Amino acid sequence: DVQLLESGGGLVSPGGSLRLSCAASGFDFSYYGMAWVRQAPGKGLEWVSTITAGGDRTYYTDSVKGRFTISRDNSKSTLYLQMKSLRAEDTAVYYCAKIYRGVDSHYFDYWGQGSLATVSS
Amino acid sequence: DIQMTQSPSSLSASVGDRATLTCRASQNIDTFLNWYQHKPGESPKLLIYAASSLQSGVPSRFSGSGSGTDFTLTISSLQLEDFATYYCQESYSDSWTFGQGTKVEIK
Repeated sequence: DVQLLESGGGLVSPGGSLRLSCAASGFDFSYYGMAWVRQAPGKGLEWVSTITAGGDRTYYTDSVKGRFTISRDNSKSTLYLQMKSLRAEDTAVYYCAKIYRGVDSHYFDYWGQGSLATVSS
Repeated sequence: DIQMTQSPSSLSASVGDRATLTCRASQNIDTFLNWYQHKPGESPKLLIYAASSLQSGVPSRFSGSGSGTDFTLTISSLQLEDFATYYCQESYSDSWTFGQGTKVEIK
């Protein structure tokens, strides 16, 4: 079975840093793009960042460009999100998600359970 | 960037009712449109991909339609377990934008 297990969340002060990890199992991690999606308290889902299977291309939502870095270690089947210069508005549950990319369809087919990052003084 | 607009923001319905949720894209996205169900404390769940394809294991009371800019998710007969928030998402661009969600509540 596919499993995605996030870790690394916690409480951090504004301007601080946090690194989230997502350990994947049950599929060939190196074949699939991966992404991070977040949900702030009381808000909807927001796509944050995507990385291709080989890690050669990355994409970010405008609000995190220059502050967040997505990366992956295919030898460890692990996805990362390095978050710097954190702001209160980055407080959210962060989900990692596996991407299915077909000819006529692209979607998130599996999701982790989420990791809460709280930015507060 | 592509904007996704869902309506209504919330709807109250009873068990057995038919529910129709809509999603509009700010530009043509062909059929690169997915629907997810999200319940508090759980991970989002894929229901429909490519606008109208039912994900494996999802009950057949869920159906999707549309192409271009206008899309619909229909729940033919609401069950207790269907009360949740539903999100559409475009996967046409490099930024997979979600709609703001439709919360389906029990009347």
